[in-house]
Order: sequence, then C-alpha cells, then structure tokens
Amino acid sequence: DTGVSQNPRHKITKRGQNVTFRCDPISEHNRLYWYRQTLGQGPEFLTYFQNEAQLEKSRLLSDRFSAERPKGSFSTLEIQRTEQGDSAMYLCASSLGLDRGREGYTFGSGTRLTVV
Amino acid sequence: SQQGEEDPQALSIQEGENATMNCSYKTSINNLQWYRQNSGRGLVHLILIRSNEREKHSGRLRVTLDTSKKSSSLLITASRAADTASYFCATDADDYKLSFGAGTTVTVRA
Repeated sequence: DTGVSQNPRHKITKRGQNVTFRCDPISEHNRLYWYRQTLGQGPEFLTYFQNEAQLEKSRLLSDRFSAERPKGSFSTLEIQRTEQGDSAMYLCASSLGLDRGREGYTFGSGTRLTVV
Repeated sequence: SQQGEEDPQALSIQEGENATMNCSYKTSINNLQWYRQNSGRGLVHLILIRSNEREKHSGRLRVTLDTSKKSSSLLITASRAADTASYFCATDADDYKLSFGAGTTVTVRA
C-alpha cells in the first residue's frame, strides 16, 4: 500500500456534463476526506467520512456534489451539471483518528478538473 | 473559509540559507500542521505540533507554536533546491477538518 490513489489525474469536461472521481485511501485508515483547491489558494474542506458514514459536509458542497464511501473503502465524488466554477484540483486524503495516534493526513496527488 | 494565513506569500533564498515562514490563525485549535506541495501535486505532511507543545523538530525542520498569539513558524535550515515548493499551515480544531492558509511559495536558488 503505497499511499492514497486518485483517478483520473486530469479530467476535461464540457459544462453541464457529470463527472466522477475515485479515491483509494490507505487501507488501515478509517477516515477519508475530500478537499478542493483553486489556483493560488490552500485546500478547502468539502466532506469527511469515518468508515462508510459521511459525518460532515461543507457548505461548499452544493446539491450538485455527492460523495460516497461504500463499505468504508474507496470513495467517489460526483459532480452533476458541471459549471466553469467547478474547475479546480480535487484532493482526497485519509487518516487515522487523533485517538489512534494520527500525526497527519496522507493526501493523494489530486484530480485536476477543467470545465470548458 | 481559510483560517490560517501565511506570511510571507513568497520567499526566494540561496541554497544553504535558512527559510522562515509564519502562520497566524483565529480560533482555538487541537493542533497545527505544516504541509508541502510541489507544483501541481498533492500535499505532503511535514510536521504536527499539538496545542500543548511549544516547539518541535524534524530533521531540518523546526516548528514553533504560540497559542497566546495564535501563531506558528516553520524554519527550514540549510535549504536545498528540492525544498522549492509551496508550504501550507493547517489548523485542526474539530478533529476532522483542516483549515489551510493560502501558503508561502519558497524558491531555493542554486
């Protein structure tokens, strides 16, 4: 297990299309997070799973966005009816909880979405 | 919203020099973390400092935390070309959500 894997690395889509990204976390990590990063900014929190339960969603996550983590393993982030403002790097991260000795989050390399 | 704010926004130094960057934040935290991001890639965790710690070292990295001033600093000693990257501080207040600043872009000149 070499880290957090995200696919695809790049996605170009036309406005109005739906897109889905996949994240495979480190297998021992029970927590999984999605962040969004635009150019020149730090990542912004989108949502968080503990095992298969989605426990928190940011207000940034409009109703066009949905995330799932079936069986507490990989996760998918779907954006419906994409808009140009959705263009960003979508980062997935995984971790243990603080109570289990978490030192930091392990991030994937991200999926860069361009909506044209 | 971004809680952390790094200063300076950009830093250019000669190889072998030290690089210092600062982070200020607004609310109480459990811990503060520093991450590095190379251009177009994911973030790499560098170091975590808990709210009851004042200083922490890891290799060429030294982090300080002053909770009374709500600020932290990251010092990279004896910088190398490979240290060229963006550096982000991230505060952990809720145990599940990191709040990042906009980052400091560090360029190390050979």
